[in-house]
Amino acid sequence: AQSVTQLDSQVPVFEEAPVELRCNYSSSVSVYLFWYVQYPNQGLQLLLKYLSGSTLVKGINGFEAEFNKSQTSFHLRKPSVHISDTAEYFCAVILTNDYKLSFGAGTTVTVRA
Amino acid sequence: KAGVTQTPRYLIKTRGQQVTLSCSPISGHRSVSWYQQTPGQGLQFLFEYFSETQRNKGNFPGRFSGRQFSNSRSEMNVSTLELGDSALYLCASSSPPQETQYFGPGTRLLVL
Repeated sequence: AQSVTQLDSQVPVFEEAPVELRCNYSSSVSVYLFWYVQYPNQGLQLLLKYLSGSTLVKGINGFEAEFNKSQTSFHLRKPSVHISDTAEYFCAVILTNDYKLSFGAGTTVTVRA
Repeated sequence: KAGVTQTPRYLIKTRGQQVTLSCSPISGHRSVSWYQQTPGQGLQFLFEYFSETQRNKGNFPGRFSGRQFSNSRSEMNVSTLELGDSALYLCASSSPPQETQYFGPGTRLLVL
C-alpha cells in the first residue's frame, strides 16, 4: 500500500516571499504524483502532476514541483506568493495500475501582507 | 468543456435517514470516483466506477453504496445516516489513462 506524508500542516508566509510545501510518499511500485489546491468551500483544483519524463513539472498559477525518486519526494514551490494563494494544498499519489488517489493530510498556506 | 458537477451542494439530514448524491462527470470521461473529506480523517477514497462497473472500493461500511449510469453519471447513497457521516463528499472524473482526476465542488452533508 502507498502512503503520503505532508511534512508541514501549516505554513505562514508573507506576500511576495517564496514558499515550499514538502511531500514524501512511500510505495513499492511506480506511482503518479499530484498536487491539488482547495480554496474555502470549494472542491479540489489540480495544480500540477508528474506522470513521467522531466522531474521538474510546472503547473498553474506559477507553481512547480520536483520529483525526486531516490528521496521519494515531490515538493511544491512558488517563488513569490500572493494573498490569493491562501488555501489548503494536498499532495496525492496513485499507483500506475490503480484507480484511487491517496492523499496527504494537507498543508494550510496563509499568505499575509 | 463543463467541469464536474455535483448536486445538491448542501444537505441537512437527521440520523437514520438516507441520502443520495449525484455527480455528472466531464463530457467524455467514463471513470467516476467518490471521496469523503472530514477534518479528522482527511480525504478518503470511497469507490470508483467505470462503464457502470465498480472497480475499486475503499474501507467504508456497506451503508455507503454507489452506481453509475450508461451516460457515466454517478450517484452515491448513504443509508441509515450517522452523525459521523457529516462530511464534504467529492466526486472526480477522469478519462483513460485514468491517472488524472478532476474534482467537482462537492456536496456538504450535515447529519443532525
